Amino acid sequence: GQQVMQIPQYQHVQEGEDFTTYCNSSTTLSNIQWYKQRPGGHPVFLIQLVKSGEVKKQKRLTFQFGEAKKNSSLHITATQTTDVGTYFCAGLTNFGNEKLTFGTGTRLTIIP
Amino acid sequence: DGGITQSPKYLFRKEGQNVTLSCEQNLNHDAMYWYRQDPGQGLRLIYYSQIVNDFQKGDIAEGYSVSREKKESFPLTVTSAQKNPTAFYLCASSGQSANYGYTFGSGTRLTVV
Repeated sequence: GQQVMQIPQYQHVQEGEDFTTYCNSSTTLSNIQWYKQRPGGHPVFLIQLVKSGEVKKQKRLTFQFGEAKKNSSLHITATQTTDVGTYFCAGLTNFGNEKLTFGTGTRLTIIP
Repeated sequence: DGGITQSPKYLFRKEGQNVTLSCEQNLNHDAMYWYRQDPGQGLRLIYYSQIVNDFQKGDIAEGYSVSREKKESFPLTVTSAQKNPTAFYLCASSGQSANYGYTFGSGTRLTVV
């Protein structure tokens, strides 16, 4: 079955440093979505990428979708304490669009 | 405001008992999903439903059952056959299938005592 892996599993950064998480799928994706889950909370939808090579920005967050549509990344510039949480990617295949397969997540902690 | 309501927030169950987790949405979404999250792990799909009176097994359906009698409601029953039921359970919904992002409920934390 489809698998979506994320690295790193954990990341500790000093406040103000940059952060990147990488997502890799075993199969080609029709689109990829990113979610953020704050500690003790539930996942919240951030963005969706659909096109090969697509890049989208949300303030300090930059999302990329690979040319082969099998990988993606999320980069945060100048992290803040509000960025703490676990970031998940989730991929949709071309074979029906009933459900997403979530990645394993990257847990970000910020050192003030 | 529209959203998804899960209840209860915390639930304690004795071994051998069935328990039902509630999930209600007023977003008029067609699709609904149940996920299980264990500490430090990702989300694993239990069951999902695209339309009323129809649902499909996810990756870890054994020991669980669902129903979808109304568009707004998708309750999950954790049966005594589930070997390790202690976990955080998340319900989600999406409109026009999954292409527009999922909306999650706040979750139910189930503990077997």
